[in-house]
Formats: sequence, structure tokens, C-alpha cells
Amino acid sequence: EDKVVQSPLSLVVHEGDTVTLNCSYEVTNFRSLLWYKQEKKAPTFLFMLTSSGIEKKSGRLSSILDKKELFSILNITATQTGDSAVYLCAGQGGSEKLVFGKGTKLTVNP
Amino acid sequence: GAVVSQHPSRVICKSGTSVKIECRSLDFQATTMFWYRQFPKQSLMLMATSNEGSKATYEQGVEKDKFLINHASLTLSTLTVTSAHPEDSSFYICSGVHSGGAHEQFFGPGTRLTVL
Repeated sequence: EDKVVQSPLSLVVHEGDTVTLNCSYEVTNFRSLLWYKQEKKAPTFLFMLTSSGIEKKSGRLSSILDKKELFSILNITATQTGDSAVYLCAGQGGSEKLVFGKGTKLTVNP
Repeated sequence: GAVVSQHPSRVICKSGTSVKIECRSLDFQATTMFWYRQFPKQSLMLMATSNEGSKATYEQGVEKDKFLINHASLTLSTLTVTSAHPEDSSFYICSGVHSGGAHEQFFGPGTRLTVL
């Protein structure tokens, strides 16, 4: 059975801190690993990773995939209160279905 | 990015009634749409895969006669919760896969269903 595990489940930091969110996966016919940010409504897309070792960046956020270790991390530098959200990792297999992890709830305090 | 809309955004109904939720891809064609359910403080759980012009594929444990899915066109899929019960109260989210894109899923804003 396909599985995505995120850690930590919850994280509280102060503004300006750097955080690393972890995601491990076991997905049949793996195609890609996706990161989403979810605030009060539906998830918003952050990154799609398909190749190992290539870092994707968007502002203060970056992510990288290790297909050998079946692992991905999402980094957020210089965190801001607006980064507070649940960050979801999802594995996509051959059928295009996404298998989501339980998410990491990030709280950034001023 | 591509836009997916859902209607209604929020619905409250009585137990035993049926509720229809629409999912539309506004600026792209989606041969495949997915329906998810999210309970409070939990992750998204895939309910079913909706393919245009064919029957939906349901995940294990999801009753196909209770959650009716119709994908009548490349831009519209509907989910009907039949004979709703309070335990069906949840946040329902759809997503569409861009037919010509990189298999990225675009999510709708979600529908909050409350069954009294």
C-alpha cells in the first residue's frame, strides 16, 4: 500500500528561524513528489519534484528530492508569521493519484 | 496556474437529504478529476477518480452508491452525497489534472458540508 509519512507533525518557531520539513514516501510507479501549503481552504501548490538532487526554489522556500532514499525536504528560511500553515507532502504514482501525508502544522510566532 | 472552482463553497442540509457539489475547471480541460475528503485536523483522503465519459473509480471503503460522481464534460465533475448523515459532514475538495500539462493537480477551493 502506498504511504507518505511527514515529520514532524507539528512545529512552533519564532519569526526569522529556518525550518526543515521532512517527507518520506513509498509509492508504486513513483512519478513525482509534490508539496502544498494549506491554510484555511484547499491546498495551494508549492513544488513538484521529479528528479533527484535538483533543488527547486521559490523565494524563501526550497525543496529537494532524494529518489534513492525515497525522501524529500522542504526548507523555509527567515520564517514569517504568514508562513503559518499546514504543509502537505504528496506522492504521485503512475495513475496520477496523489497520496498525501498527514501534514506538518507550522506555527510561526512573532 | 489553472483554475478550478467548486460550488457551493458551504452547504448545510438535513439528515437524509442529498447534496450535489460541482467542480469546474475554468481555463483548462480535465480528463481526470479527483475527489478528496478532509476531516478536521486530518489530511486529504482520496475518495474517487473521475474520468470524463466513464464511470468513476472509487477508493476502498468509499460507497459508490452513496457518493455519486458524474464527469459529463471535460470541465465539469459533480459529486452527489445521497441520503447524507452527520458523519458525512466534512470538507470536500476536488482537483483537476490538466490534460496537456505535467500531471500537476489543480485544487478547487473546497466545499464545507454540514449535515444536521
